[in-house]
Amino acid sequence: QKEVEQNSGPLSVPEGAIASLNCTYSDRGSQSFFWYRQYSGKSPELIMFIYSNGDKEDGRFTAQLNKASQYVSLLIRDSQPSDSATYLCAASMNGNKLVFGAGTILRVKS
Amino acid sequence: GAGVSQSPRYKVAKRGQDVALRCDPISGHVSLFWYQQALGQGPEFLTYFQNEAQLDKSGLPSDRFFAERPEGSVSTLKIQRTQQEDSAVYLCASSSWGGNTEAFFGQGTRLTVV
Repeated sequence: QKEVEQNSGPLSVPEGAIASLNCTYSDRGSQSFFWYRQYSGKSPELIMFIYSNGDKEDGRFTAQLNKASQYVSLLIRDSQPSDSATYLCAASMNGNKLVFGAGTILRVKS
Repeated sequence: GAGVSQSPRYKVAKRGQDVALRCDPISGHVSLFWYQQALGQGPEFLTYFQNEAQLDKSGLPSDRFFAERPEGSVSTLKIQRTQQEDSAVYLCASSSWGGNTEAFFGQGTRLTVV
């Protein structure tokens, strides 16, 4: 079992819809969680991080964390074709390193 | 600089050749990380520096891989006697001090071993 699991997708949503990306982690010692967006051939770009249970909103993005269920999600409202990318979930235990999932491919159709 | 800078962007090496990849982190960032990303996979941790100290090298796949950051700023990842399985994108990231701070990635070096 990988430490951070994501559905590889692709997840296809129509333009304007809500995209829901999910991630589970196995190490209960993980403290912080990050969502990165990676366009093909580019480096990962940080979207959001979260370390407290509950929701954290930033513009069209909402990160959700449930430590009891070891579950992290990212919601993208009003999805745009430019949101089409691979979304990487990562967990950090003590700030020393990030453990990444394999990523979920999101496709937003216009 | 404004962001993490890596060079070269692309490197083609013949099998058995030694290569050196450079990372220039964001100014003032204490922590520096190296990751390896194979096609279709998420980045895999290689090693971590806090200033000049290499605190974790548990992800280095073999003793052919070596990383240094002698003055606590620029870092070099060296791969000796490259093999085809070393072909990947090597990403460098830096972050400021703190357990919950986010890491910013450079553009990566795409290494192809032929």
